[in-house]
Amino acid sequence: DGGITQSPKYLFRKEGQNVTLSCEQNLNHDAMYWYRQDPGQGLRLIYYSQIVNDFQKGDIAEGYSVSREKKESFPLTVTSAQKNPTAFYLCASSGQLNTGELFFGEGSRLTVL
Amino acid sequence: AQSVAQPEDQVNVAEGNPLTVKCTYSVSGNPYLFWYVQYPNRGLQFLLKYITGDNLVKGSYGFEAEFNKSQTSFHLKKPSALVSDSALYFCAVRDIAGNTPLVFGKGTRLSVIA
Repeated sequence: DGGITQSPKYLFRKEGQNVTLSCEQNLNHDAMYWYRQDPGQGLRLIYYSQIVNDFQKGDIAEGYSVSREKKESFPLTVTSAQKNPTAFYLCASSGQLNTGELFFGEGSRLTVL
Repeated sequence: AQSVAQPEDQVNVAEGNPLTVKCTYSVSGNPYLFWYVQYPNRGLQFLLKYITGDNLVKGSYGFEAEFNKSQTSFHLKKPSALVSDSALYFCAVRDIAGNTPLVFGKGTRLSVIA
């Protein structure tokens, strides 16, 4: 089936460790996105990419890094510089940046111990 | 800059009654507007969108939304609520003229009581 796969679904990390969240899509979409979701704050954009080998910072990029080496893949690294990394992370893709709806993965819940 | 406001954190409605989840937006030009639904510990699912044309947009699961340009609103509605409609609902906007990603509201939790 076509869709977006995020892994792992649950992840625990010790303070000071980097962690990478995987996002893969087989929808042949050009644009991919990472959002962070915290209770009562909605979705906040971390990074997005409109094309391979190019990406832009969103509203809360500090402490995060991404790469877009393949059209299908857009991994997110949560670095030790992120002050409050415990959150629900959502990856999405769209076929068209402006008019296309976003297709979301099932999310990854990161907990820092 | 573009923004979305969902003025109600929580909406409660009895099963079988009509429901409305409110959304207002702000863009410098004309908007593209979207509604999404999220069930616990899941990703967001697309419900409907307004791009152009008829102000009344019909979407999945019997939901519809009305675009009102003068009031800059895009309220989500359903004539008869189901308990299974209980979820978190997000409104999102993008400026037609811009080349920027969707901006989401903070979400409204809908609780349908049997």
